[in-house]
Amino acid sequence: QVQLQESGPGLVKPSETLSLTCTVSGGSIGSDYWSWIRQSPGKGLEWIGYIYYSGSTNYNPSLKSRVTISVDTSKNQFSLKLTSVTAADTAVYYCGRGDYYGRFDPWGQGTLVTVSS
Amino acid sequence: DIVMTQSPDSLAVSLGERATINCKSSQSVLYSSDNKNYLAWYQQKPGQPPKLLIYWASTRESGVPDRFSGSGSGTDFTLTISSLQAEDVALYYCQQYYSTPYTFGQGTKLEI
Repeated sequence: QVQLQESGPGLVKPSETLSLTCTVSGGSIGSDYWSWIRQSPGKGLEWIGYIYYSGSTNYNPSLKSRVTISVDTSKNQFSLKLTSVTAADTAVYYCGRGDYYGRFDPWGQGTLVTVSS
Repeated sequence: DIVMTQSPDSLAVSLGERATINCKSSQSVLYSSDNKNYLAWYQQKPGQPPKLLIYWASTRESGVPDRFSGSGSGTDFTLTISSLQAEDVALYYCQQYYSTPYTFGQGTKLEI
């Protein structure tokens, strides 16, 4: 069955760019919608955006100006870049498989990213 | 954005008793063309990611025990655990997938 695993730095400095990668195993990334979701104590669960395997994207307007999600089908991976981060971007970041409708299953284990100097 | 509001924020229920969690959306998530409610419930146990429990407001995901049930339509929804088991201690979230940005409720903490 499909499994997802996030990877990337756990500490990012303010104003810099947060970069994470999600590796999909047990199935092909060449279908479905692949999302990033974050969870922080202050804002709960927040959908960041998704990418379809073909490359089309849909971002949360609240983050759209700072977010880029990309896909590398040859590596069965998709990635998140969030620019100009502040302490408010400190959260556990999850990658997840979404279906056509917008339901998420499964999710990766999550990775804590702290924004601090 | 559609705002999802859950109640209560936390809930303590005895083993074997019924637990009820409510979720209200700021606008209807019932899609008229297919008469489906675009509402899902997730369970998150400590140290784990959320897990999809119920979708279309009342359809259990494969493998989910039948003590979990979902109901409601339009803007008001309920997740019910008919007989609470120790392993049901978790955070529960509702999510609307009627429109982007997809949004979640703030979560309900269920304790024994």
